[in-house]
Amino acid sequence: DQQVKQNSPSLSVQEGRISILNCDYTNSMFDYFLWYKKYPAEGPTFLISISSIKDKNEDGRFTVFLNKSAKHLSLHIVPSQPGDSAVYFCAASYGNQFYFGTGTSLTVIP
Amino acid sequence: DSGVTQTPKHLITATGQRVTLRCSPRSGDLSVYWYQQSLDQGLQFLIQYYNGEERAKGNILERFSAQQFPDLHSELNLSSLELGDSALYFCASSPLASSTDTQYFGPGTRLTVL
Repeated sequence: DQQVKQNSPSLSVQEGRISILNCDYTNSMFDYFLWYKKYPAEGPTFLISISSIKDKNEDGRFTVFLNKSAKHLSLHIVPSQPGDSAVYFCAASYGNQFYFGTGTSLTVIP
Repeated sequence: DSGVTQTPKHLITATGQRVTLRCSPRSGDLSVYWYQQSLDQGLQFLIQYYNGEERAKGNILERFSAQQFPDLHSELNLSSLELGDSALYFCASSPLASSTDTQYFGPGTRLTVL
């Protein structure tokens, strides 16, 4: 069963605008959440994470929001740049078990 | 470059065969993780090794096994291969064993079973 879901397979955004990528999860045991970015022919690269005791974490242009009551995670990229075009995976973990979503392909249009 | 290397990059084999995928972690990292990414699927966690010992097991099939050697490199063995085992297999490493450690991924091995 898919415990972490990314329901939007793709997203296109104009350069300079905000990109919002969404992720839903089903397991309330998850205590750590991460976003990874993946370029073609490369492995995923860690982007940003958040503990379940927080509701927001910011790192430069990237902000992750966690809504535990809705079991929802989102990644905001502001401003979006063409180099941000990649596949973004959200992931969740607890007790050394790791679950990934199916990814959202972001295209930032110059 | 994450510092994690995986060999081979591509592997084509037939059903019923056995293959071995190899992973060298980043220098100093003690944990190695294996993931499978099938077509249109997310990464599925298979298994984690820490300093030579199995640390956590995910949805790894009984036909699959792994080990981590004293030099910390790891091998994933896939046997009695089926068409459905065709996938991208990623290895990742992290410094310690915590689930909050950042994992550094290799470029993957693409396995095709014909």
